[in-house]
Amino acid sequence: SQQGEEDPQALSIQEGENATMNCSYKTSINNLQWYRQNSGRGLVHLILIRSNEREKHSGRLRVTLDTSKKSSSLLITASRAADTASYFCATDAGGTSYGKLTFGQGTILTVHP
Amino acid sequence: AAGVIQSPRHLIKEKRETATLKCYPIPRHDTVYWYQQGPGQDPQFLISFYEKMQSDKGSIPDRFSAQQFSDYHSELNMSSLELGDSALYFCASSSGWETQYFGPGTRLLVL
Repeated sequence: SQQGEEDPQALSIQEGENATMNCSYKTSINNLQWYRQNSGRGLVHLILIRSNEREKHSGRLRVTLDTSKKSSSLLITASRAADTASYFCATDAGGTSYGKLTFGQGTILTVHP
Repeated sequence: AAGVIQSPRHLIKEKRETATLKCYPIPRHDTVYWYQQGPGQDPQFLISFYEKMQSDKGSIPDRFSAQQFSDYHSELNMSSLELGDSALYFCASSSGWETQYFGPGTRLLVL
């Protein structure tokens, strides 16, 4: 079973709009990371949020983490056509599994110019 | 900045053949991870190495083996290839246990 599940599975918006993607997970975590993947290409690290953090910003990205609900959200503000990609959350459970990332199923974001 | 290098980028093999994928981590990164991503799937953790020792193992078939060498590069050896092994194989590296930087991947097609 998947540790992370993402919602929605697909999101289609217009340039300039905001995009919000959600991720839920099942076990306790050390940190949660968001990655972007352009079609069939490598994964690009976007942001890491630790379990003791609630919110983090990086440029147009805002990530929140609610460990009580075991969920995270990624907000991309003022989206651009170049943001079109798949977005994955990945959890690091820490402990004996330190560094082993468990990925969610991803959200496919399409930004129309 | 230097990134993770993977070779080859594309590989076509027949069933029951063997394949070796190589990964060169970012300089001064001591940890290497391997992931497998099937078509339309999320990446699945296979195995990781820290300072040349295996540190964790995921859903890696017994037909696969991997190691990390003294120069920190890593190789994933895959034997008795099956059609289901067709996937994108990613290597990632990190310094310590946090942010993992992924390579461009090796696309393996088994015919």
